Amino acid sequence: DVKVTQSSRYLVKRTGEKVFLECVQDMDHENMFWYRQDPGLGLRLIYFSYDVKMKEKGDIPEGYSVSREKKERFSLILESASTNQTSMYLCASSDRAQPQHFGDGTRLSIL
Amino acid sequence: DQQVKQNSPSLSVQEGRISILNCDYTNSMFDYFLWYKKYPAEGPTFLISISSIKDKNEDGRFTVFLNKSAKHLSLHIVPSQPGDSAVYFCAARALNNNAGNMLTFGGGTRLMVKP
Repeated sequence: DVKVTQSSRYLVKRTGEKVFLECVQDMDHENMFWYRQDPGLGLRLIYFSYDVKMKEKGDIPEGYSVSREKKERFSLILESASTNQTSMYLCASSDRAQPQHFGDGTRLSIL
Repeated sequence: DQQVKQNSPSLSVQEGRISILNCDYTNSMFDYFLWYKKYPAEGPTFLISISSIKDKNEDGRFTVFLNKSAKHLSLHIVPSQPGDSAVYFCAARALNNNAGNMLTFGGGTRLMVKP
């Protein structure tokens, strides 16, 4: 069974801090994704990666960056956290065209 | 501009009856559609999918219907059970998406099944 693990379930940070969200998958999937989920807006894609060191912008990349140094790990970085980045962050992985598998999410609060 | 829309934010159904969740899309390049189910404090889990070459796909109590001319799909749950209470997301993938299996999600519909 596919396991996508996000390092924190809940995180509280201050405005201006640099924030790292980590995601690890154990199925050797090529593709990894970062979304944020906000009420009424569904899941919006921030960044995705289809290979090690490769990254592509999603629909809302502003204020975020990503890193994929190893195939199993995909990190989301908030360069300078702001209150409008308070949200639920979801990581997902998939093998080529197969359905994406999600982690349980990180609820991030920026004070 | 949302390319995938779920116009009903919530739906309440009696146990044993049919639940119908709707989804509309605007991008004619979408060729593959998925439904995900999400419980609170958990990530979305894949439920069922349909390719644009089909108009129906069934898996147990869950059936997805696709009407390409209307750019509309629906998820039917029969019979509905209290454990089906969750948020349901519709998602779509574009035909020419050759990089990374990108999905576009709708805003979600919260289904409540009353005992």
